[in-house]
Amino acid sequence: QKEVEQNSGPLSVPEGAIASLNCTYSDRGSQSFFWYRQYSGKSPELIMSIYSNGDKEDGRFTAQLNKASQYVSLLIRDSQPSDSATYLCAVNYGGSQGNLIFGKGTKLSVKP
Amino acid sequence: ETGVTQTPRHLVMGMTNKKSLKCEQHLGHNAMYWYKQSAKKPLELMFVYSLEERVENNSVPSRFSPECPNSSHLFLHLHTLQPEDSALYLCASSLGTGGRSGANVLTFGAGSRLTVL
Repeated sequence: QKEVEQNSGPLSVPEGAIASLNCTYSDRGSQSFFWYRQYSGKSPELIMSIYSNGDKEDGRFTAQLNKASQYVSLLIRDSQPSDSATYLCAVNYGGSQGNLIFGKGTKLSVKP
Repeated sequence: ETGVTQTPRHLVMGMTNKKSLKCEQHLGHNAMYWYKQSAKKPLELMFVYSLEERVENNSVPSRFSPECPNSSHLFLHLHTLQPEDSALYLCASSLGTGGRSGANVLTFGAGSRLTVL
C-alpha cells in the first residue's frame, strides 16, 4: 500500500516565524514530489515541486527532499496570515501513468 | 475562459437521480483526472484519462461513470449514488502523465460539491 503521511495539525505559528511542514512516503520508487496549498473552500494549487535530493528555494518557500529517509518537507519563512491554509504533500510513484498519491494535509494557522 | 472549469459548483441529488459533472480545460493539456475529496481523508484518485484513453480506474464503484469525448472535456456521470458519496469532486489536468518531469503537475478546477440525500 503506497502511502503519504502528514501530521494533520493544526500547526500554529506566529507571524514572521518559520513554519515547517513534514511528509513521509512509503515507496522508494517515488520520482517526483509536490506541495499543494488549499485554502478553505478552494481547490489545491501547486506551490512547489522537487525531484532531486536537497533543497529547492522559491521566494519564502523551501522544499527539502531526502530520498534515503523517504522524507520531504516544506519550510515557509517569514510566515504571513495569508499563508494559513492546508498544505498537501503529493508523491508520484512513477510508472507510465500519473499516480499522484496525496497525504491528508497539514492545516497551518499563522497568528498575527 | 482559462484554466480548468467545473460545472456545476454545487449539486444536490437524491439516491435515485442521474446527474453529470462537467470539466473543461483550456490549457492544452493531454491528461485529465477526477479526484474525490472527503472530510478527514486524503484526495482519492478516481480516474485518469490520457489522450482520451482511460488509463486508470482506481476501484471506483460502477455508479460513477467517466466519459472523455476529447482531450479538453471530461464528464463524471452519476447514478444511484449513496449518501457516503457526498464529497467535493475535483477535476484536474496535466500536460502529461507519470515520470520525473514536470509534465505531471496537476492544475485543479474549483470543484463540484456534491450532496446525496
